[in-house]
Amino acid sequence: SQQGEEDPQALSIQEGENATMNCSYKTSINNLQWYRQNSGRGLVHLILIRSNEREKHSGRLRVTLDTSKKSSSLLITASRAADTASYFCATDNGNTGKLIFGQGTTLQVKP
Amino acid sequence: DAGVIQSPRHEVTEMGQEVTLRCKPISGHNSLFWYRQTMMRGLELLIYFNNNVPIDDSGMPEDRFSAKMPNASFSTLKIQPSEPRDSAVYFCASSLRDIGGYTFGSGTRLTVV
Repeated sequence: SQQGEEDPQALSIQEGENATMNCSYKTSINNLQWYRQNSGRGLVHLILIRSNEREKHSGRLRVTLDTSKKSSSLLITASRAADTASYFCATDNGNTGKLIFGQGTTLQVKP
Repeated sequence: DAGVIQSPRHEVTEMGQEVTLRCKPISGHNSLFWYRQTMMRGLELLIYFNNNVPIDDSGMPEDRFSAKMPNASFSTLKIQPSEPRDSAVYFCASSLRDIGGYTFGSGTRLTVV
C-alpha cells in the first residue's frame, strides 16, 4: 500500500519559476525522504528530513515537514529544464527500516 | 564506488520461462531492497534484507517470486514461471540502516510475452 500521496500529480512550469510539490502520509514516521527519477532511470535520493525537523535546505531544494498535519512539501527554486523528472516522497516509520513511496509528481520545466 | 549494479538492464522472455534478476549493492550497505515499478501500481516494495537476512517479504506477490541474498554483495530475484502481468521495471536499492537514503540501481526492464 502507498503511504505517501503527492500533489499535484503533474506540474508544468517555465524555467526560472519555482515548483512546489506536496506529500501527505497516514502513519507516524521516523523520517521522510524525497527522490527524483528521470525518465528510464533509477531513483536518486535528494533529501531526508527527520520527524523532529521542520525545514531543511539543500542547494535549490527546500523541504518542510509538518508532523501535526502529516504533510511535507518540496520546493525547487529557480527551476531549470534539467529539473524535469518525477519526484517521489517516501516515508520511513522507523520500525521496519523500509521506505514506502508515493505515486509521485511529474514535473515538466519548459525552457 | 560504482553504485548499485543491476543486471540485466533489459529482459524479454516468454510466458512460463524462469527469470533471474541480479543485484550488487554498495559495499558496506547492510540493507537491500527489491522494488517493482509499474504505471498502474507505482513503486511497490517486494522484499528487503537486513544483514543478508530477509526481514519482510509481504510484498512478494505470489509463490512464483523468490529472492535470495547469499552474501553481502549479491542478491537475486527469481520469477518462475513468469507471466505477462509480471512485466515491469524491477529496482534494487541498498542503504546503511538508520543512516537513511537509499541508493537505487538503474533497474531491469522485464517484458514477458
